[in-house]
Amino acid sequence: GAGVSQSPRYKVAKRGQDVALRCDPISGHVSLFWYQQALGQGPEFLTYFQNEAQLDKSGLPSDRFFAERPEGSVSTLKIQRTQQEDSAVYLCASSEQDSNQPQHFGDGTRLSIL
Amino acid sequence: AQSVTQLGSHVSVSEGALVLLRCNYSSSVPPYLFWYVQYPNQGLQLLLKYTSAATLVKGINGFEAEFKKSETSFHLTKPSAHMSDAAEYFCAVKRSGAGSYQLTFGKGTKLSVIP
Repeated sequence: GAGVSQSPRYKVAKRGQDVALRCDPISGHVSLFWYQQALGQGPEFLTYFQNEAQLDKSGLPSDRFFAERPEGSVSTLKIQRTQQEDSAVYLCASSEQDSNQPQHFGDGTRLSIL
Repeated sequence: AQSVTQLGSHVSVSEGALVLLRCNYSSSVPPYLFWYVQYPNQGLQLLLKYTSAATLVKGINGFEAEFKKSETSFHLTKPSAHMSDAAEYFCAVKRSGAGSYQLTFGKGTKLSVIP
């Protein structure tokens, strides 16, 4: 497709369950980012990939959060043993390799933990 | 480290009136600055960006922003508000230079347009 695609759009899980969120970036985009957007807040950086290499994971809130991009295209954000505070919109963005290029965002996955 | 402050979490304007959304940044090196718009249940759409070229930047949908280094500001304006402009707007900053990639966002300003 033409834009960044994320699935599912909505996810409801019970506390303690594991969830997996998928991001399909714009074709050819080398850089991929995950952000977490809490209700009423701006997005906050979670992690960054250049191709399949995870170059920065400093924003991941805990070791329950794990991201991968094994073939340098599709990425998955996994959250283990979910907690209520994990409820948020998770946004994926991609960009060309040149750091001057803007990031293009998907529509996000709204995660609700009951 | 960089940060962004957006003054006013909620701004209301009448249709046809001037839109002014304020953004001040803090950065230890020359920054790149961005404005994004977010409609309900959607991701962020880039409105415009400043990357050290012209200080007055024109974006989509009639928006523009002016980079003022002396005031560390990057306010977003539009001469005449339209109903379709109602959305949430985010200012973001990124360090300039190679190897810089992380966007730091403000908390957002929700714009309401009154008919």
